[in-house]
Formats: sequence, C-alpha cells, structure tokens
Amino acid sequence: ETGVTQSPTHLIKTRGQQVTLRCSSQSGHNTVSWYQQALGQGPQFIFQYYREEENGRGNFPPRFSGLQFPNYSSELNVNALELDDSALYLCASSSGGTSQETQYFGPGTRLLVL
Amino acid sequence: QKEVEQDPGPLSVPEGAIVSLNCTYSNSAFQYFMWYRQYSRKGPELLMYTYSSGNKEDGRFTAQVDKSSKYISLFIRDSQPSDSATYLCAMTGGTSYGKLTFGQGTILTVHP
Repeated sequence: ETGVTQSPTHLIKTRGQQVTLRCSSQSGHNTVSWYQQALGQGPQFIFQYYREEENGRGNFPPRFSGLQFPNYSSELNVNALELDDSALYLCASSSGGTSQETQYFGPGTRLLVL
Repeated sequence: QKEVEQDPGPLSVPEGAIVSLNCTYSNSAFQYFMWYRQYSRKGPELLMYTYSSGNKEDGRFTAQVDKSSKYISLFIRDSQPSDSATYLCAMTGGTSYGKLTFGQGTILTVHP
C-alpha cells in the first residue's frame, strides 16, 4: 500500500453534471498529480499541485480544475461532464522538488458518465 | 505519433519464462524512466525507477535504458502467475519534469 487514498471508489453521474474527487497524499509528500486513465490506455496527466499552487497542466480543458489544501490533500473537479469523461481517475503523490519523478498512486476513482 | 509507444500485447507466457517488455519514445529530454505494475481495477504500483542510461536489477526484475536508441526494457525472470498484470512504462524529464508520460500498457498473463 502506498498510503495514498482516494474517495469515492466509484461514481455514476449523468452528462452535464459536476463531480468532485478527493485525494489524500502519502505522509511527507507535498505534491499531488492527477491522471485520467481511459479503458485500455495508459494514464494521461491532467495537472499537478505543489504547495497549494498549480504546477503544470496537461492537455485538458478548463472544466477540469483542482485544489490543494494546506495538509496537501487535493480535489479534482470536473464540470459539465461528458460521456468521454468516463475513466479511472488516479492521484499520485510525490515529495516534490527534485523527487517529482517518483510518484506513488492511489487506487483511483472509477467515474461512469451516462 | 505518441510520445511513448508500448506494444499492448496481450502477452501470454508459461510459468518460469523470461518476459521482455519494451517501450520506445521520441522526446530526447526524458531522463527518468519508470515501470509500473497495475493489477485489474487497482492503481499503478511503482516497480522500477532508472535515471538516464544503464541497467538496474531488483530481484527478478531488470530495467534497461538505452537513451541513444530511445528504448527501454523490463525483464522478468522466472515469471510467476502473480506477475499477471498490466505493465506500464512511464518517463519524464526536461520541461516536462514531474509530468509522467505513460505508454499504453502491456497486458501480461503467466499461466501455471
């Protein structure tokens, strides 16, 4: 176990709705990255938060937004859900600085958009 | 063309076989190379991490990086049924440092 937790484990939403996913990072880690993994694909980078600031963003529209809190936990918010947003959403924590490459993943939240 | 290419398989081998998994990449700025194992309906688990070119061994697992060919490999010796999973290569570096770019994943089945 990595110590990274995510909630909820599963979620079903309808098109147009909004969703919030949560992540608690491993103790001692100040950086959280979010990834989207479609079925049969590798994870794709959404964005990263370091010490409560966004620190890099992948090729995702602005309706994907996030937050990081003082305890380094994080939220991913997705507005105006589309069918293609159905995927496994993964968060990964790392110790930041010069150790960002070693990221430890949580179990993921499986989102289904109907 | 994707930045990281990985043969999705599936790959099926008998128990005890040597397994070779590979990825190629196009971004010469990548310096950090990782292999993750992902069991069905679970998050990826970090298996191996290598910086720059060279080999790294950990038990039954060996990771190789050839930066000149932009080619990385993971070898699994004496494969076990418990090794059955999806194996993902990931890499980062340069201006993308901290953002992991993944391959598609290779599905491996080791049968008794």
